[in-house]
Amino acid sequence: QVQLQESGPGLVKPSQTLSLTCTVSGGSITYGDYCWIWIRQPAGRGLESIGRVCTGGNTVYIPSLRSRVTISVDASKNQFSLKLNSVTAADTAVYYCARTRPYGVGDLIDSWGQGTLVTVSS
Amino acid sequence: DIQMTQSPSSLSASVGDRVTITCRASQDIANYLAWFQQKPGKAPKSLILAATTLESGVPSRFSGSGSGTDFTLTITNLQPEDFATYYCQHYNHYPHTFGQGTKLEIK
Repeated sequence: QVQLQESGPGLVKPSQTLSLTCTVSGGSITYGDYCWIWIRQPAGRGLESIGRVCTGGNTVYIPSLRSRVTISVDASKNQFSLKLNSVTAADTAVYYCARTRPYGVGDLIDSWGQGTLVTVSS
Repeated sequence: DIQMTQSPSSLSASVGDRVTITCRASQDIANYLAWFQQKPGKAPKSLILAATTLESGVPSRFSGSGSGTDFTLTITNLQPEDFATYYCQHYNHYPHTFGQGTKLEIK
């Protein structure tokens, strides 16, 4: 069973870059027809997809964050990462990494990290 | 993007009650609908996929129905551990979007 674990700074200053890493264990990040995704959840609010990178390297980002976000894979470390630049207080949230697998014409989340809180504050 | 609208946003019920949560998609998503349960400080847990299929280990008091644009999650004989927040999510294409959540509280 694959396991995911987020890591990175819990505090980021406004206008700087938020950088998080998701370490994958129990399976290779480059094997299989999976996508590796980031989701965030502001305190007391709902879940928001951020973007994904799929095996093979193609990435998709949600339109509202597309100009600020990069998701990439480091196969040598079995990790994928999230970089979100020019952050503001509105980016304060719990950030989850997760994996999706193909299901019919879509793809289904089948594993989640435990989440990590990132606060944007000076 | 597809919008997912859940109702109600909060719900009070007692142990042993039956509750229903609804989710409406802004366009036809066939049965590409999942339901998640989230407890404070925890990642969401998948309950139902393909609108009606229970994940392994999920109690049979949970059930899902619907297709196209209208879906429901029903919990019968509520147990203390069921008080949590529930989210629907479509997954037929990316970006996946979630409903805004339904917080189920003890009356």
